[in-house]
Amino acid sequence: DTGVSQNPRHKITKRGQNVTFRCDPISEHNRLYWYRQTLGQGPEFLTYFQNEAQLEKSRLLSDRFSAERPKGSFSTLEIQRTEQGDSAMYLCASSFPLTGVSGAREEQYFGPGTRLTVT
Amino acid sequence: AQKITQTQPGMFVQEKEAVTLDCTYDTSDQSYGLFWYKQPSSGEMIFLIYQGSYDEQNATEGRYSLNFQKARKSANLVISASQLGDSAMYFCAMTWRKDSSYKLIFGSGTRLLVRP
Repeated sequence: DTGVSQNPRHKITKRGQNVTFRCDPISEHNRLYWYRQTLGQGPEFLTYFQNEAQLEKSRLLSDRFSAERPKGSFSTLEIQRTEQGDSAMYLCASSFPLTGVSGAREEQYFGPGTRLTVT
Repeated sequence: AQKITQTQPGMFVQEKEAVTLDCTYDTSDQSYGLFWYKQPSSGEMIFLIYQGSYDEQNATEGRYSLNFQKARKSANLVISASQLGDSAMYFCAMTWRKDSSYKLIFGSGTRLLVRP
């Protein structure tokens, strides 16, 4: 399978613990995005990498959140001192920009997500 | 600021009939893209269709078509000949270029249930 993969698929943790999620993008994609989706809502942008550089972070990404993409390959998202409000689905997407198309086209391929439950 | 609005929390449709899911958007950018994604209960976001802001014709992908009305800032998804497997959450999303990022913003989604 050459799609985007995320691990683990499910994570249950106690409040105050640290958790780390991993995303493996499609190999030739140099762009990687993290989104968070809470129950009943659409995904919300968290952060964006181009190769290994983290170029944009949402205000949603508090100091307890950190993301890395060493060597421009896989990415990790760490949440320190988890809170119940962190319970959500964390989605990763990778992309490669298309040229010569109308508008702003960049098809992002999503992984299956990591569902985090903080008890 | 960019915004996507989906006003239908839930919709029912009879199998084999067509259904329209509404989406309106707000942006001051001239160059932008509009997407529809399907999210089944498994959670994965599945790309359905794309419409560029400069496209003069409505996009079509198999049973999916996008009714793009630029002046009204609407991008409704039409699913023809609904199938039971179409039951899922549907999200309208928009992207635009900011520096090198094409981040997506999503609406709140519409849950579609197809009745046999």
